[in-house]
Amino acid sequence: EAGVAQSPRYKIIEKRQSVAFWCNPISGHATLYWYQQILGQGPKLLIQFQNNGVVDDSQLPKDRFSAERLKGVDSTLKIQPAKLEDSAVYLCASERDRVTDTQYFGPGTRLTVL
Amino acid sequence: GQSLEQPSEVTAVEGAIVQINCTYQTSGFYGLSWYQQHDGGAPTFLSYNALDGLEETGRFSSFLSRSDSYGYLLLQELQMKDSASYFCAVLFYNTDKLIFGTGTRLQVFP
Repeated sequence: EAGVAQSPRYKIIEKRQSVAFWCNPISGHATLYWYQQILGQGPKLLIQFQNNGVVDDSQLPKDRFSAERLKGVDSTLKIQPAKLEDSAVYLCASERDRVTDTQYFGPGTRLTVL
Repeated sequence: GQSLEQPSEVTAVEGAIVQINCTYQTSGFYGLSWYQQHDGGAPTFLSYNALDGLEETGRFSSFLSRSDSYGYLLLQELQMKDSASYFCAVLFYNTDKLIFGTGTRLQVFP
C-alpha cells in the first residue's frame, strides 16, 4: 500500500512570496490533516478535512493560509504572503484508525522563509 | 488548557532501558498514543493505550494511568537506530483533535 505523498520536499522562498504544498493521501482514506511542525516542537494541527469538507480549521491563520480538497482526495495548502515565522515542516496525514487513533504521515515539506 | 509535557532530551547507551514520560493536564480523551520521528522524517505510530495499564509491542512498551494523568514509553535493548524524537499524543473527545506533546529527543550512544 502506497503511503501519503507530499511535494515538494523542500522549498526556500523570500518573505511576502507565495508557496503551495501538495498532498496525496493513502487511497480510500477520507480524513486528511495538515500539520505545522516548527523545529524542536510537536506537530500542530492546522486543518482537518473529512472528504472535501472542513472539519476543523480553528488553528489555521486564515489571513494568510488557505487549504482545499476539492475532490475529496488530493489537497493543497497555500501560504500567501509568507512570513519568517512560517519556516517549518508542513506534514500531511491521512485517516485515523479509530481503534488505535493512528495517523499515517507523509514525509513533509520543509519550508524556509528568508 | 490541553497540554502534554515531556522531558526535552534523554540519553542512554546501547542495550540499556529508557523510560520517556508524558504528563498531561487535561481530561476527556480516547487514549494515549506514541509516535517516533527520526530527523528529517515523518512521525510514525508506535503504540496506543486506550485503557490504563501496560501495552507491549516487541522492545517497546507503553503505559497509561488516567488517575495519575501520566503515561510513559519504555524502550528496552536500545539500539542506535532508536535515536529519534518521541511524541505522546491524545485524541480529545470534545474536539476530535489529536494533540501532540512537546517531544523528547532520545540519543543512544555506543
